[in-house]
Amino acid sequence: GQNIDQPTEMTATEGAIVQINCTYQTSGFNGLFWYQQHAGEAPTFLSYNVLDGLEEKGRFSSFLSRSKGYSYLLLKELQMKDSASYLCAVMDSNYQLIWGAGTKLIIKP
Amino acid sequence: DVKVTQSSRYLVKRTGEKVFLECVQDMDHENMFWYRQDPGLGLRLIYFSYDVKMKEKGDIPEGYSVSREKKERFSLILESASTNQTSMYLCASSLYNSGANVLTFGAGSRLTVL
Repeated sequence: GQNIDQPTEMTATEGAIVQINCTYQTSGFNGLFWYQQHAGEAPTFLSYNVLDGLEEKGRFSSFLSRSKGYSYLLLKELQMKDSASYLCAVMDSNYQLIWGAGTKLIIKP
Repeated sequence: DVKVTQSSRYLVKRTGEKVFLECVQDMDHENMFWYRQDPGLGLRLIYFSYDVKMKEKGDIPEGYSVSREKKERFSLILESASTNQTSMYLCASSLYNSGANVLTFGAGSRLTVL
């Protein structure tokens, strides 16, 4: 079966760095997405990785290793507004998205 | 600013009622999707559409139907609501069918079936 695993909840301190991991087992691979979802709001797109390596976008970076079936989202200089759920999704060989259950990130002052 | 609008944020319905969830996008996107989001589970695809009057079943279509009469509007229908359909329903649209298929989501419709 197809599976995406990510931690259920993480806690970090304002100003610090946090890494949210995502491992996947899917039928084929056509890219990995990260979305951010604040409570009660729509998920919004953060990043897309299809090749191995690190993609940096401001305070957020996303890493992919296809051989290991592994990605992480790195958030630097954490702000209170970064408190949200972070959703990992993989596009399989049929171009269908398989979603993880999301990681709830709690930022403490 | 691109937008996906879901007409109802909160609905409370009784078992057996027919429920309509409306979704409109203003981005001229070809593709539209309905997902449900439940605690502890990833988003699950109910139905999607790649064109007007076209629909495809997703992973959990049982108990649902959809309608896409116009490009900008994609409706989800629960013919006879049941308590296990209590959930958050998310509509999304996208420009591409493959590759960097970035989804734009609506804010969601939280349905409670009593």
